[in-house]
Amino acid sequence: GNSVTQMEGPVTLSEEAFLTINCTYTATGYPSLFWYVQYPGEGLQLLLKATKADDKGSNKGFEATYRKETTSFHLEKGSVQVSDSAVYFCALIRWEGKLIFGQGTELSVKP
Amino acid sequence: NAGVTQTPKFQVLKTGQSMTLQCAQDMNHNSMYWYRQDPGMGLRLIYYSASEGTTDKGEVPNGYNVSRLNKREFSLRLESAAPSQTSVYFCASSEGLETQYFGPGTRLLVL
Repeated sequence: GNSVTQMEGPVTLSEEAFLTINCTYTATGYPSLFWYVQYPGEGLQLLLKATKADDKGSNKGFEATYRKETTSFHLEKGSVQVSDSAVYFCALIRWEGKLIFGQGTELSVKP
Repeated sequence: NAGVTQTPKFQVLKTGQSMTLQCAQDMNHNSMYWYRQDPGMGLRLIYYSASEGTTDKGEVPNGYNVSRLNKREFSLRLESAAPSQTSVYFCASSEGLETQYFGPGTRLLVL
């Protein structure tokens, strides 16, 4: 079946540090992949997406590349800010439109 | 343009009570979804509606019912609430396999 696995949190970084949040998936075919972000007390909002192998999604300094060979979609940012503190969810979409989420990774950035 | 709205924001119920969570979207999307979010488990799909007049079960439908009242509105009903239904509930909408847009969530506590 389809599933998404993310690295365990919480992740605590200092401002301007490099961020990687690992995400791997299991799926039939090549589904579109997503990163959603949830700021405290809010709903989820799309951060970036990639629709096919080798695509790179990017937004707000975050990037993730769809790697078919390693079934991965790791999230990276070169220099995190305090305002990036949030919970990050990796997800894939099934053919009928259902999103399958990872368990979420909480990021805390300290000044 | 409010996007996806949910009411109420917070609710406390006693075991056995019933309630309906309301969701509305103003983006003219065909598809709508209900998820629940529990610590360490990401978001899990309860029910979804691919178009007005249709509904289908998701991953965790037991104990819930839904109504797609019209294209804008999709409600979730708990007929007899149980403590295991304590969670944060999110409604989302999309156009087919495109990005899903989420509401701000409803926090439900069942005592």
